[in-house]
Amino acid sequence: NAGVTQTPKFQVLKTGQSMTLQCAQDMNHNSMYWYRQDPGMGLRLIYYSASEGTTDKGEVPNGYNVSRLNKREFSLRLESAAPSQTSVYFCASGTGAGANVLTFGAGSRLTVL
Amino acid sequence: RKEVEQDPGPFNVPEGATVAFNCTYSNSASQSFFWYRQDCRKEPKLLMSVYSSGNEDGRFTAQLNRASQYISLLIRDSKLSDSATYLCVVNPGTASKLTFGTGTRLQVTL
Repeated sequence: NAGVTQTPKFQVLKTGQSMTLQCAQDMNHNSMYWYRQDPGMGLRLIYYSASEGTTDKGEVPNGYNVSRLNKREFSLRLESAAPSQTSVYFCASGTGAGANVLTFGAGSRLTVL
Repeated sequence: RKEVEQDPGPFNVPEGATVAFNCTYSNSASQSFFWYRQDCRKEPKLLMSVYSSGNEDGRFTAQLNRASQYISLLIRDSKLSDSATYLCVVNPGTASKLTFGTGTRLQVTL
């Protein structure tokens, strides 16, 4: 089925470890996004990529890096995980820089001990 | 003041009831508005866009009041399957600035 696929679904890390969340979309969308969702808070944008070859910081970029590998793939890296990064991470894609409708991946639940 | 505010609920309603949620936003320049639905431990999915003149999709009606800066979602004849969290989403002009509310939880019971 067409959509957004993100891996892994679950991950437990120790403080200081690194990891990369992978995201791929097969809808030919230009824009891709990484959000985090925490209890009592709305989805917050970490980084986004308006088109292949560009990336920009969102609301909460500290502690994260991203790579837009090609039009389909957008990865999120935690270089040195901290307990404050325990969250559910969602990748999303949209049709353009002004795209309003986002399609989300199923989410990645990350716990940092 | 939060950019997008929603009553977190939960709203507990019996099957068949009508329920309405409101959402207020602070940025008067906001251009487009949406309701997303999020089931427990799942990803958000678009429920419907909200148009200036109001719009309806089956049992769901969305309305926008720009003067008072709020949007609403009305669900008629509630079903058990409507139980979810409903996220209000506001776009001030570019998708990178989409602002999500914290969501209103609806629980429909027998």
